[in-house]
Amino acid sequence: DAGVTQSPTHLIKTRGQQVTLRCSPISGHKSVSWYQQVLGQGPQFIFQYYEKEERGRGNFPDRFSARQFPNYSSELNVNALLLGDSALYLCASTARVGSGYTQYFGPGTRLTVL
Amino acid sequence: DQQVKQNSPSLSVQEGRISILNCDYTNSMFDYFLWYKKYPAEGPTFLISISSIKDKNEDGRFTVFLNKSAKHLSLHIVPSQPGDSAVYFCAASDMPLVFGKGTRLSVIA
Repeated sequence: DAGVTQSPTHLIKTRGQQVTLRCSPISGHKSVSWYQQVLGQGPQFIFQYYEKEERGRGNFPDRFSARQFPNYSSELNVNALLLGDSALYLCASTARVGSGYTQYFGPGTRLTVL
Repeated sequence: DQQVKQNSPSLSVQEGRISILNCDYTNSMFDYFLWYKKYPAEGPTFLISISSIKDKNEDGRFTVFLNKSAKHLSLHIVPSQPGDSAVYFCAASDMPLVFGKGTRLSVIA
């Protein structure tokens, strides 16, 4: 089975531009979450979507937005890019495993803002 | 304020020996914990998890121990192999996941 897929792999943008990142979850998974990872830190939660509805939002500015489509794929949009938005953006899909929920991550999109 | 802490940024271990990675948490409401392994330029890979109703879970060379009273968990890798060299993240599941900062494990041949 295919895992979580993300596109593009790498992206270079300049300050003030807008970017759209894409994610397809594992087949059968209905929940998608987005995380941002900067060097030296663990992934930080941005959004969670389940059945096209936002179920959670992390402590990120309104420049960050996301949506989920009927096929459960998702997009993360970031407007008015800042240098500090340079990071690895991770998408994860969620499955219940035993008594808890496990998230399975894609390879990430490396965003560089110049 | 960090709710999940991995206080050792790095760890070096000889091949064949035991690697022990530690993690502390502050939120007593966390009831499910996970370990992920991450290579450079890749997403985190799920390794093993443990529910708060257990104190130990094993999967092959990997064992996770949970001490709820101390709010502490650890990942044991036995025997350690060079391919285990990666950054290991501890995470607590409060949906979403709350991650520690990671520990870089180097297994020396």
